[in-house]
Amino acid sequence: GENVEQHPSTLSVQEGDSAVIKCTYSDSASNYFPWYKQELGKRPQLIIDIRSNVGEKKDQRIAVTLNKTAKHFSLHITETQPEDSAVYFCAASKGYSSASKIIFGSGTRLSIRP
Amino acid sequence: NAGVTQTPKFQVLKTGQSMTLQCAQDMNHEYMSWYRQDPGMGLRLIHYSVGAGITDQGEVPNGYNVSRSTTEDFPLRLLSAAPSQTSVYFCASSPLSGMSNQPQHFGDGTRLSIL
Repeated sequence: GENVEQHPSTLSVQEGDSAVIKCTYSDSASNYFPWYKQELGKRPQLIIDIRSNVGEKKDQRIAVTLNKTAKHFSLHITETQPEDSAVYFCAASKGYSSASKIIFGSGTRLSIRP
Repeated sequence: NAGVTQTPKFQVLKTGQSMTLQCAQDMNHEYMSWYRQDPGMGLRLIHYSVGAGITDQGEVPNGYNVSRSTTEDFPLRLLSAAPSQTSVYFCASSPLSGMSNQPQHFGDGTRLSIL
């Protein structure tokens, strides 16, 4: 079955610098790759997602890149701010019907240093 | 529009007790799922469903049962609680369209402690 590995498990960056979180997946049929942000004691919330028919997607300070050949995708946060401190999860799924289960990585705790 | 509603928010059980965690969504989503979240292990999929009458196992299904009699509800049952099931449980739902999943909407979670 699908396996998603996420690195690093913890990341500390200076405010204003960039942060990069990387994930690899095992099932080459996976076609949907969302990223979720979870603040302490809160529910996970989607911040950006990408599908296998594109290589990059950007939304303001957040971008995601996908390399289907290498089976890895990355989250890039530029100009980091204190409110970016949270746990970030990547996930992968291969879509429709009975194959649609969504598997998550183990998470990255991002801390922004003032 | 309430989204995904989980009850209860907190629960303490004794080993061997049974209970049902409730999950309901009002968005007419086909896909619903249950995750458990433990420190350092992320969100692990317990069971999922792609529609009423259809359920399937995730990564860690042992000790849990589910059913999907309606589109709206997806309860998770612990038949005989064990301390290893102490965790935070999240229910999530999303629409299914085309050949790809859609973003999931999560409930607020149920914090479960087994003594």
